[in-house]
Amino acid sequence: GEQVEQLPSILRVQEGSSASINCSYEDSASNYFPWYKQEPGENPKLIIDIRSNMERKQIQELIVLLDKKAKRFSLHITDTQPGDSAMYFCAAHSGGSNYKLTFGKGTLLTVTP
Amino acid sequence: SVLLYQKPNRDICQSGTSLKIQCVADSQVVSMFWYQQFQEQSLMLMATANEGSEATYESGFTKDKFPISRPNLTFSTLTVNNARPGDSSIYFCSSKVGNTGQLYFGEGSKLTVL
Repeated sequence: GEQVEQLPSILRVQEGSSASINCSYEDSASNYFPWYKQEPGENPKLIIDIRSNMERKQIQELIVLLDKKAKRFSLHITDTQPGDSAMYFCAAHSGGSNYKLTFGKGTLLTVTP
Repeated sequence: SVLLYQKPNRDICQSGTSLKIQCVADSQVVSMFWYQQFQEQSLMLMATANEGSEATYESGFTKDKFPISRPNLTFSTLTVNNARPGDSSIYFCSSKVGNTGQLYFGEGSKLTVL
């Protein structure tokens, strides 16, 4: 099945700077790549996603890039704020009739004032 | 989006007992998915549950250990049988909206097995 690698596992940045999280996948049939933010004690929340027919998507301070050739995708948070501190998960969905999201291991982002 | 409500939000049980977790959606959904998350770790898909049919389990999860029911399009239950301390984790139900692929999670049920 699909495997998703996510790096780094821990990321610490200063408020106002950018944070980048990188993920790679194995199945070239994967066509949907969501990102989730999970705060302590909460459920994972979908923050942005990108489909395989796109290379770049931006929602406010969140930018997602997808390189299908390299089978890599990344999340960039510009102008980080302390409220961005959380665990972030990337995921990949292989096309096909059976819906299945495979998650990366997560990145713990801390934004310091 | 879809809202998913889980009950209980947390529970403590003794080894060898069984615990049932309920998930209710605020709208009809075709598939519900159950995920397991150990403390500060990733989300592992346990099984996919469609209405009126047997749940499909992922490798490492079995029907005997984690029976799942899906009696209608808004409800599902996950049972943890013969609970062990290694089953202590957070269990999330989830569902996707139409064909968007966007997956939404319930609030989670934190299980501690003593």
